[in-house]
Amino acid sequence: DAKTTQPPSMDCAEGRAANLPCNHSTISGNEYVYWYRQIHSQGPQYIIHGLKNNETNEMASLIITEDRKSSTLILPHATLRDTAVYYCIVRVWFGGAAGNKLTFGGGTRVLVKP
Amino acid sequence: EPEVTQTPSHQVTQMGQEVILRCVPISNHLYFYWYRQILGQKVEFLVSFYNNEISEKSEIFDDQFSVERPDGSNFTLKIRSTKLEDSAMYFCASKWDRGTEAFFGQGTRLTVV
Repeated sequence: DAKTTQPPSMDCAEGRAANLPCNHSTISGNEYVYWYRQIHSQGPQYIIHGLKNNETNEMASLIITEDRKSSTLILPHATLRDTAVYYCIVRVWFGGAAGNKLTFGGGTRVLVKP
Repeated sequence: EPEVTQTPSHQVTQMGQEVILRCVPISNHLYFYWYRQILGQKVEFLVSFYNNEISEKSEIFDDQFSVERPDGSNFTLKIRSTKLEDSAMYFCASKWDRGTEAFFGQGTRLTVV
């Protein structure tokens, strides 16, 4: 799976959009970008994923650059409950091994401030 | 919304004792996983399980670890002889297909004393 690089931490004002960057310059053509978050040692929570088109769901938007070497997760109106560690993970849709494990890096620790 | 359930939420055990961590995955899911997170460190993959057998395991998952799906609903992680360094949060996860998102439980905090 391709390696990802994320800033270790960032602050965001409540009610404002939070833009979380992720670099994945070695991504290959069959690898997807997944975002998960972990709120204070709870189990990781899936947010969104995409291949090359921008994606939006009820939680967030995912913007992937045309060359797919980087992406941005957007939380449109951050709330205090969005304070968490956000993980950007790149992997194939159907992995070579049936396991399809997730490889977590250090993520970005996001603190939403009132 | 369906969820993955883990029990107990916290377990304290003496070094050398056996522990069994229990998970009830989402009912129609076919792929099952255990991850762990030592305090302050990254979430680490331990093992994946599909079609009643291990499909992948990490270096961490040595002979002291085993997994089982005994009755079609529970998914268990057994640590045969616990060590101090096994103290961690253990997360169970499941998904219905290889490419879909994984749903994680809230974890079991294992403390080995």
